[in-house]
Amino acid sequence: KQEVTQIPAALSVPEGENLVLNCSFTDSAIYNLQWFRQDPGKGLTSLLLIQSSQREQTSGRLNASLDKSSGRSTLYIAASQPGDSATYLCAALEGGDNAGNMLTFGGGTRLMVKP
Amino acid sequence: ETGVTQTPRHLVMGMTNKKSLKCEQHLGHNAMYWYKQSAKKPLELMFVYNFKEQTENNSVPSRFSPECPNSSHLFLHLHTLQPEDSALYLCASSAREAFFGQGTRLTVV
Repeated sequence: KQEVTQIPAALSVPEGENLVLNCSFTDSAIYNLQWFRQDPGKGLTSLLLIQSSQREQTSGRLNASLDKSSGRSTLYIAASQPGDSATYLCAALEGGDNAGNMLTFGGGTRLMVKP
Repeated sequence: ETGVTQTPRHLVMGMTNKKSLKCEQHLGHNAMYWYKQSAKKPLELMFVYNFKEQTENNSVPSRFSPECPNSSHLFLHLHTLQPEDSALYLCASSAREAFFGQGTRLTVV
């Protein structure tokens, strides 16, 4: 059974710092790896999706990498801002299109960026 | 707007009430999920449906009863809940990518 772990569980940084959030998964037979953001009391917003055949994806100040062989993904946030404060979750999707799906989440990293 | 719609957004119910949460997606996804998120706790997977069949039940108490009449709709029927069941209930769907609804904030009094 897939297990997803995120380190650290919480992170507090001053504004402007570059930071890395880590995600590891036990079963490398994933269809894709997705990073989400969750603001308090809200639903999840998809940030980046990396297909199993890809190594990284970029969107603005965010860059996510995937190393299937080692079971790891990282989310890199450049020049952090107070508005980046939220909980970041990674999720491994098994199955995929036209197959039985299973989405497994890590416990999340709670990020606080201080002005 | 993610394409996954949950109703109602907020629900207050007594312990003897029966209510239902609804989730709808028209993304063509064949997998749908229910998650529970209690205050300041990680997401807890409750149920997974693939092609309208339940493929995962994460030891959820029987007072929560899911229903998936078709690939576009997922319900969570609630009956004789406890105050500790108060939480944010999130629905998701997936195929090549997962999308979430905005959730239903449930308060059991």
